[in-house]
Amino acid sequence: GDSVTQMEGPVTLSEEAFLTINCTYTATGYPSLFWYVQYPGEGLQLLLKATKADDKGSNKGFEATYRKETTSFHLEKGSVQVSDSAVYFCALSEPEAGTALIFGKGTTLSVSS
Amino acid sequence: GAVVSQHPSRVICKSGTSVKIECRSLDFQATTMFWYRQFPKQSLMLMATSNEGSKATYEQGVEKDKFLINHASLTLSTLTVTSAHPEDSSFYICSARDRERLGYTFGSGTRLTVV
Repeated sequence: GDSVTQMEGPVTLSEEAFLTINCTYTATGYPSLFWYVQYPGEGLQLLLKATKADDKGSNKGFEATYRKETTSFHLEKGSVQVSDSAVYFCALSEPEAGTALIFGKGTTLSVSS
Repeated sequence: GAVVSQHPSRVICKSGTSVKIECRSLDFQATTMFWYRQFPKQSLMLMATSNEGSKATYEQGVEKDKFLINHASLTLSTLTVTSAHPEDSSFYICSARDRERLGYTFGSGTRLTVV
C-alpha cells in the first residue's frame, strides 16, 4: 500500500540555519502531498501542499517541491527561527475522495537561539 | 478558512466510565470525518473513517464496540470511548474532509487521561 517515509529526528539547529527534512513516498497512483506542523499539545496545521508533479508548495518561508522522478517532497527553509520548533509530518492522500491522509512518523525540529 | 472545533481539549475520567469527544466543522460540510489516535512522540494512527449517515469503517485492530463513532450530520461527528481504561489514555484528533475544497482540516485534539 501507499506509504510515507521521513527522516528520523530530532533535528537540532541554531537560529537562522538552513533546514531540510527529507520525505519520500510510495504510491500506486498520483497522490497529493502535504506537510503538516504540530506544536506541543495541539492538533495539526497544514503548512503546505502540492497536488501534482513539479508543483511547489510554500508558506511562511517553508518550501517543498513534488518530485515524481524521485518520489520525494522534501521540506526546506532558508533560515529557521526558534518559533519553528515543532513536529513536522509529511503526508499523502490518494486521489479518490474520502480516503484518509497517510502520515510519515514525524520529525521533531528544535531550534535554539 | 475551514475550521474544525474539537471538544473537550482535555478530559480526565475514572476507569470504567465513558467519554464523548465532539468534532464540528464550523464553516463547511464534512462528508467524511477521520479519527486518529496519537501516542507520545509518535505519528497519528488512523482509527476509523466515518461518512455522514452511514456506519464508520474501523481500521484493523480498533475495537468498534469500544470506540463508538457517530456522524449524524454534515457538521458533527462524535467519538465515544466506552468503559475507558488507563491504556486508552492518549491524544485523539479528528480530521474533516471538505467536500468542495477537497482539503483536510484537523481539530485541536483531545488529551484523554483515564485514572
